[in-house]
Amino acid sequence: EAQVTQNPRYLITVTGKKLTVTCSQNMNHEYMSWYRQDPGLGLRQIYYSMNVEVTDKGDVPEGYKVSRKEKRNFPLILESPSPNQTSLYFCASSSPRGNTGELFFGEGSRLTVL
Amino acid sequence: KQEVTQIPAALSVPEGENLVLNCSFTDSAIYNLQWFRQDPGKGLTSLLLIQSSQREQTSGRLNASLDKSSGRSTLYIAASQPGDSATYLCAVNNNAGNMLTFGGGTRLMVKP
Repeated sequence: EAQVTQNPRYLITVTGKKLTVTCSQNMNHEYMSWYRQDPGLGLRQIYYSMNVEVTDKGDVPEGYKVSRKEKRNFPLILESPSPNQTSLYFCASSSPRGNTGELFFGEGSRLTVL
Repeated sequence: KQEVTQIPAALSVPEGENLVLNCSFTDSAIYNLQWFRQDPGKGLTSLLLIQSSQREQTSGRLNASLDKSSGRSTLYIAASQPGDSATYLCAVNNNAGNMLTFGGGTRLMVKP
């Protein structure tokens, strides 16, 4: 089954404790992206990657890091989480044909930073 | 900077009605526009993708139109059903790359 898998789905952590949210897709997609969704602010793009070893900042990259060492994986790293990073995070990927085809989303990772 | 607005923010209709959801964007130099559905606590599911050269796309009871020059897209849902209840989001992909900008969504409730 074609899917985008995120882990963990739920996480409560404390300020400053490094964490990684993993994202994996099994569709051989070249494009992958991370978003955060906040009430009243909608979905905002954090980082995206057009291919292995190619990453670019989105709208709200501050406080986040990403890496794309393999085509299927695109982890989101919070080196020193802060309470304002409490949010619902989504990973997405899309077809290699053209410049962003249909986007496939993961189920989301709800992060709380105390 | 691209801004995407969806009106109305919430909509409640009786089952069977045809309805239109609106999406407007400020920068008409887009590459494509995509409509999504989001159920509570779930990820986004792609409904329709319209390339900038297209005027509309159809899938079942859904029809999405695109008017680049006026910065508007509409999602038409025919014969609405309670199972259509969800939040609908539009997202615009700009020409410079893969910076997608999302609207705030329209929360739809279809009453039996």
